[in-house]
Amino acid sequence: IAGITQAPTSQILAAGRRMTLRCTQDMRHNAMYWYRQDLGLGLRLIHYSNTAGTTGKGEVPDGYSVSRANTDDFPLTLASAVPSQTSVYFCASSDGTGGYNEQFFGPGTRLTVL
Amino acid sequence: GQNIDQPTEMTATEGAIVQINCTYQTSGFNGLFWYQQHAGEAPTFLSYNVLDGLEEKGRFSSFLSRSKGYSYLLLKELQMKDSASYLCAVRDGDYKLSFGAGTTVTVRA
Repeated sequence: IAGITQAPTSQILAAGRRMTLRCTQDMRHNAMYWYRQDLGLGLRLIHYSNTAGTTGKGEVPDGYSVSRANTDDFPLTLASAVPSQTSVYFCASSDGTGGYNEQFFGPGTRLTVL
Repeated sequence: GQNIDQPTEMTATEGAIVQINCTYQTSGFNGLFWYQQHAGEAPTFLSYNVLDGLEEKGRFSSFLSRSKGYSYLLLKELQMKDSASYLCAVRDGDYKLSFGAGTTVTVRA
């Protein structure tokens, strides 16, 4: 693995179903993030984690939950999907130790909720 | 809260220069980023400004004025491969980014 991977690449989901989007990074970055990207709205932060064992809410957290059991993995769970959660979801990570501390993005998961 | 504004679309000719403006009003400021995103792909880091002034990286330059809440990304010698969305993002004190909606640049031959 090099960088950040996300799975699945795309998914069509019935409303009311539970879904977990997976994100794994191999850069040993401390911080990880989940965004959704919708046309005309840009990237919006859902949840974040500054270090393993801690999580925080972003701009649009309702309907989503996350966990950070270790440094590498940061899954995003939709407990009961609704059509308004149709979006492209990006996971990102950053080093969090100074310098640019830019975020590196995974390839994204395209989710459609019907 | 964060309010970040940038134009929705811009069109330019191959070989020309395009300037993408970004204005922001944020509750905290710890740097401004520009990302490039090609259609169907992930955003990739282009530039970072935390102090006032111009940062140049090859064909791309980024400018910041903190007192005016203003930045621009300058793309010179445009190439067809520069057709993409350009995202302005402001980082707050907790290292969280707030993004503008993005500017779609179309380069025409």
